[in-house]
Amino acid sequence: NAGVTQTPKFRVLKTGQSMTLLCAQDMNHEYMYWYRQDPGMGLRLIHYSVGEGTTAKGEVPDGYNVSRLKKQNFLLGLESAAPSQTSVYFCASTLAFTDTQYFGPGTRLTVL
Amino acid sequence: GIQVEQSPPDLILQEGANSTLRCNFSDSVNNLQWFHQNPWGQLINLFYIPSGTKQNGRLSATTVATERYSLLYISSSQTTDSGVYFCAVGGDMRFGAGTRLTVKP
Repeated sequence: NAGVTQTPKFRVLKTGQSMTLLCAQDMNHEYMYWYRQDPGMGLRLIHYSVGEGTTAKGEVPDGYNVSRLKKQNFLLGLESAAPSQTSVYFCASTLAFTDTQYFGPGTRLTVL
Repeated sequence: GIQVEQSPPDLILQEGANSTLRCNFSDSVNNLQWFHQNPWGQLINLFYIPSGTKQNGRLSATTVATERYSLLYISSSQTTDSGVYFCAVGGDMRFGAGTRLTVKP
């Protein structure tokens, strides 16, 4: 039981490049979330999903796209990376809205 | 959007001391959660507590929804309690800036 895993752990991009971050969970959770955390701040919700095939916008969705084609995976895409997207990205999953969220270890992304 | 304020921003304790962290929010919410981020960055969800009181070991939390605040109590603090404590509110999980707790041996 690996819990929530994130791939990759670190990445450096140049401005304008694209990439996809993968979040995988093996707990059969319905809800999955993508957050970003900038230095000295709390997390901000980018997008979330309440089930396979569904996605919704969070507080800061601009510049990101997501997909949930399989229940266990939640992908976060950056089509044209910008330096403002330099951050640590966390994925989380939970069985229901009122249940405990389980977090992945984070992906540290630097955009030059 | 909902404004979330946490206090104090920093707290330093000796091991064994008790502490109270506060989270104020600007509007009615049906969701309030507390999180701990350890010094290595790992996040743990401590409580889902939109109202009432919950306890888990040395930690307990109380939310007074009508007055728009929540309190997190840590008793008999240990060095492993160090890190940043966040509250988050609302359907889109608005986070406060956190309280950085340092527990000294």
